[in-house]
Amino acid sequence: GQQVMQIPQYQHVQEGEDFTTYCNSSTTLSNIQWYKQRPGGHPVFLIQLVKSGEVKKQKRLTFQFGEAKKNSSLHITATQTTDVGTYFCASPSGAGSYQLTFGKGTKLSVIP
Amino acid sequence: SQTIHQWPATLVQPVGSPLSLECTVEGTSNPNLYWYRQAAGRGLQLLFYSVGIGQISSEVPQNLSASRPQDRQFILSSKKLLLSDSGFYLCAWSFWTNTEAFFGQGTRLTVV
Repeated sequence: GQQVMQIPQYQHVQEGEDFTTYCNSSTTLSNIQWYKQRPGGHPVFLIQLVKSGEVKKQKRLTFQFGEAKKNSSLHITATQTTDVGTYFCASPSGAGSYQLTFGKGTKLSVIP
Repeated sequence: SQTIHQWPATLVQPVGSPLSLECTVEGTSNPNLYWYRQAAGRGLQLLFYSVGIGQISSEVPQNLSASRPQDRQFILSSKKLLLSDSGFYLCAWSFWTNTEAFFGQGTRLTVV
């Protein structure tokens, strides 16, 4: 089945530094979604990208979808302690599928 | 607006005992419903998926089962729990036309 590879697995940054996590697939993705899971919490939907080359911003978060629709990134500018958590990318498992395949996530730690 | 309720929040069960976790969604009709499991520090594993009453797709063969007796009710069950069933169980829903998933608060299951 389709897989989405997410790197890095862990990232430790000093507060105020930038952070990026990447999601890659060997096949074309119909869309890519990003979720955030705070420690002890449940995943929360952040955003969905659908179009080739799409870029969306949410305050300090920038989401990109590659031109070939095989990769995506989430960039956080000037991290804050509130950004701590695990960030997951996810994509439908196949054409017309309502099942999501999740990446293994990037766990972000922010050192104050 | 839509809400999802999942209970209990935590559960400690002995090996060999039965399990029943319940999830209900309010504020929408005919949602897609999902059960995921997350092992400690790991990614999300899709266990079951349902597009309608009585329709269950299983992603991973195991000693767990799921049922959807009503449109907005999803139940995860086991007749005899194994130690390996410990984990964080998450119920999620999506609109039937879409894949963005909205998760419940989760149940932390410890099998002892």
